[in-house]
Amino acid sequence: AQRVTQPEKLLSVFKGAPVELKCNYSYSGSPELFWYVQYSRQRLQLLLRHISRESIKGFTADLNKGETSFHLKKPFAQEEDSAMYYCALSEDRGSTLGRLYFGRGTQLTVWP
Amino acid sequence: NAGVTQTPKFQVLKTGQSMTLQCAQDMNHEYMSWYRQDPGMGLRLIHYSVGAGITDQGEVPNGYNVSRSTTEDFPLRLLSAAPSQTSVYFCASSYLRQAPEAFFGQGTRLTVV
Repeated sequence: AQRVTQPEKLLSVFKGAPVELKCNYSYSGSPELFWYVQYSRQRLQLLLRHISRESIKGFTADLNKGETSFHLKKPFAQEEDSAMYYCALSEDRGSTLGRLYFGRGTQLTVWP
Repeated sequence: NAGVTQTPKFQVLKTGQSMTLQCAQDMNHEYMSWYRQDPGMGLRLIHYSVGAGITDQGEVPNGYNVSRSTTEDFPLRLLSAAPSQTSVYFCASSYLRQAPEAFFGQGTRLTVV
């Protein structure tokens, strides 16, 4: 079963517009949620995780347990935000600690 | 800091050939894993390891073997390459704990003809 769903394969916005990348998850325990980003020709890297409750490069994400969502938001998109974004989930159970379940990714394009 | 190092970056194989993708990390991470990345499919877990001598299958293990003889190294072997294995492969490592940050290698772009 797909634990992480990213409904949008592609998302395009203009520079300065708000952007929201959607992520929904399916898990009965207390998951840890992450956003990873892959810029063109670079390796995947962690953007942010919900336990840190921090803003990275202007991006924020709030874990909504009621809606089982972890949407990534930025109020004013920049061209350098163009990248592939992956939502990921880590379980809280001992036998699978360390394992990440990734969504299928959303390719964000920010037009000038 | 080297982090996670994958070799090679690019590889072309003929159908039926075998090869090994190398992955090494210098962060003393217990957990290592291999993913393949295909358009529209995201990252799919092939195999993973929670420590030296311990490996397990992920989501798409068929056609691949792994071993973990040391903490640092986690090679991925393609036994008999098939065109369906054309993909970008990523190795990742992390500490074995809650909310781990995974560190990824630069990827290997494999084409099987």
